[in-house]
Amino acid sequence: QSALTQPASVSGSPGQSITISCTGTSSDVGSYNLVSWYQQHPGKAPKLIIYEGSRRPSGVSNRFSGSKSGNSASLTISGLQAEDEADYHCCSYAGSSTLVFGGGTKLTVL
Amino acid sequence: QLQLQESGPGLVKPSETLSLTCTVSGGSISGSTYYWGWIRQPPGKGLEWIGSIYYSGSTYYTPSLKSRVTISVDTSKNQFSLRLSSVTATDTAVYYCARLPYSSGWVDSWGLGTLVTVSS
Repeated sequence: QSALTQPASVSGSPGQSITISCTGTSSDVGSYNLVSWYQQHPGKAPKLIIYEGSRRPSGVSNRFSGSKSGNSASLTISGLQAEDEADYHCCSYAGSSTLVFGGGTKLTVL
Repeated sequence: QLQLQESGPGLVKPSETLSLTCTVSGGSISGSTYYWGWIRQPPGKGLEWIGSIYYSGSTYYTPSLKSRVTISVDTSKNQFSLRLSSVTATDTAVYYCARLPYSSGWVDSWGLGTLVTVSS
């Protein structure tokens, strides 16, 4: 069970859109529509922002959207705001009640 | 409002056993709709799922830690616990307890996290 692959960092200017990729295998991302994404500000616990690949919990901005294709998933943030600057982590169900996370991506809002 | 709170020593010596407890308030740990889990984050690194437990006691662990990890539940105290044996410096991390909807594959509630440092 290897960690999912995410870019170490991405950046964008306010108002722009960015996409963060998350690549797994046919044993995790590719087999289940159970990718989730978490936002984590420095010194804080992660917060669920996307589950089941594309669903948003109540209270999460619709500027956050998720998608999946094959063994990869993506998180898109539109209309970037300064408050979006944070670390973003993807996670996938990997069968037999196990989970696997990605290495995390640091988003910088320029 | 569900709250999860980790507790335990912040410093553990190499080769000893790390022990943490998560106290759940604002909800029952005995419900059939959730797993309860532990996730850790080494300084400056990504998240790592350690394992989960169902109220019945069924446990699930990440393969790389399975030989050293034990997660247990005490429904009478609304708590669940983590034990990680034979620790080394690479086990230094912030440890989070968390709630996972049953058969879901995601974490919908997190504790604040507690830093555990492995050092002599």
